[in-house]
Amino acid sequence: EDQVTQSPEALRLQEGESSSLNCSYTVSGLRGLFWYRQDPGKGPEFLFTLYSAGEEKEKERLKATLTKKESFLHITAPKPEDSATYLCAVRANYGGATNKLIFGTGTLLAVQP
Amino acid sequence: ETGVTQTPRHLVMGMTNKKSLKCEQHLGHNAMYWYKQSAKKPLELMFVYNFKEQTENNSVPSRFSPECPNSSHLFLHLHTLQPEDSALYLCASSQDPGGWDTEAFFGQGTRLTVV
Repeated sequence: EDQVTQSPEALRLQEGESSSLNCSYTVSGLRGLFWYRQDPGKGPEFLFTLYSAGEEKEKERLKATLTKKESFLHITAPKPEDSATYLCAVRANYGGATNKLIFGTGTLLAVQP
Repeated sequence: ETGVTQTPRHLVMGMTNKKSLKCEQHLGHNAMYWYKQSAKKPLELMFVYNFKEQTENNSVPSRFSPECPNSSHLFLHLHTLQPEDSALYLCASSQDPGGWDTEAFFGQGTRLTVV
């Protein structure tokens, strides 16, 4: 069964303390891995798409990497405004025209000043 | 307006009421989705529409009825809901080129409370 697991469930960092969030997946025929940021009471905001092992994407203090089994979201010198829930999702090859994103439960990040 | 817009943002309804959620996308995408987000659970895909045609119904109870009149608009009609249906309902859209899939963009969601 296709599955996405994120860890840790929650992470508390001091401002400037770098860390990484993990997203491990088991899918047949990966067609893309997506990272989103979600603030309380709002919809997920798209951050990155990764398609193949070895690929990396960067945006400000965030860097996403991908292997054949997992993805990491590295946060360098975080600031309080980086506090949010970070969601990982994958698209798998189901054939036909069906599109299906499978989400993990997310990592709740809190950055303290 | 840009992006994906959902209305209303908040909705409280009784178990015997009928209401509808509306979603509109201004991105020119050809696929639209309804997701349900409950506390401590992953986002659950409910329905998928490609070019106005429903291509996915993820075993959703019939008290939820989707409607997609065109590629820019998506509705979710609600009737005789249960308290456990209280959740954040998210609409999303994407462009499906038939090859490597692109990202989905989400609306701000409708916070639904069933009393």
